Amino acid sequence: DAKTTQPPSMDCAEGRAANLPCNHSTISGNEYVYWYRQIHSQGPQYIIHGLKNNETNEMASLIITEDRKSSTLILPHATLRDTAVYYCIVRVVRRTGNQFYFGTGTSLTVIP
Amino acid sequence: GAVVSQHPSRVICKSGTSVKIECRSLDFQATTMFWYRQFPKKSLMLMATSNEGSKATYEQGVEKDKFLINHASLTLSTLTVTSAHPEDSSFYICSASTGGPHTNTEAFFGQGTRLTVV
Repeated sequence: DAKTTQPPSMDCAEGRAANLPCNHSTISGNEYVYWYRQIHSQGPQYIIHGLKNNETNEMASLIITEDRKSSTLILPHATLRDTAVYYCIVRVVRRTGNQFYFGTGTSLTVIP
Repeated sequence: GAVVSQHPSRVICKSGTSVKIECRSLDFQATTMFWYRQFPKKSLMLMATSNEGSKATYEQGVEKDKFLINHASLTLSTLTVTSAHPEDSSFYICSASTGGPHTNTEAFFGQGTRLTVV
């Protein structure tokens, strides 16, 4: 049920910006894009989410294309602690609640 | 962010026994809780969604009688793996959300439970 596709892996040099792409071409008008990350053997950590507009918080920026069919998560200054699997999720709205279906994610490795 | 506590973090049980995993929202009321399963080097697979006071909604292919979910209060949900077998060994993760279907809220995740059935 995941509505997203991401590259399986990426590398980024420490201190540089990490740009993680995500395609969600079947997204519906009321569905939000969420980003989480998971460090090995831990629960996923919330990063950011958005609907139409670009968003920024203390962790990252989220750039959503005008047609909403894709987005990019930007970590402005990657550190070694940012090495993790990053999941782009389209939140599905159902009668039973908002459901988060995880895709395969992108394994980001930050290189010293 | 809000805190979701999952207990135990690790459990080893004998084949044929049942194991209960607890998921608590510590500083907020969770309208909806979710249970996921994760195999090594794989993504999280949604098992079921539970709303406080009502029956859980299971994803296709998940056995209701095998994975019993109870969401008795706004701060506690439990997953019971009944008659566990080695193939049930996995990483189980819960998450909790404050909002209803049309609200703009994130889900907060517990730290997961590593279940090993021997």
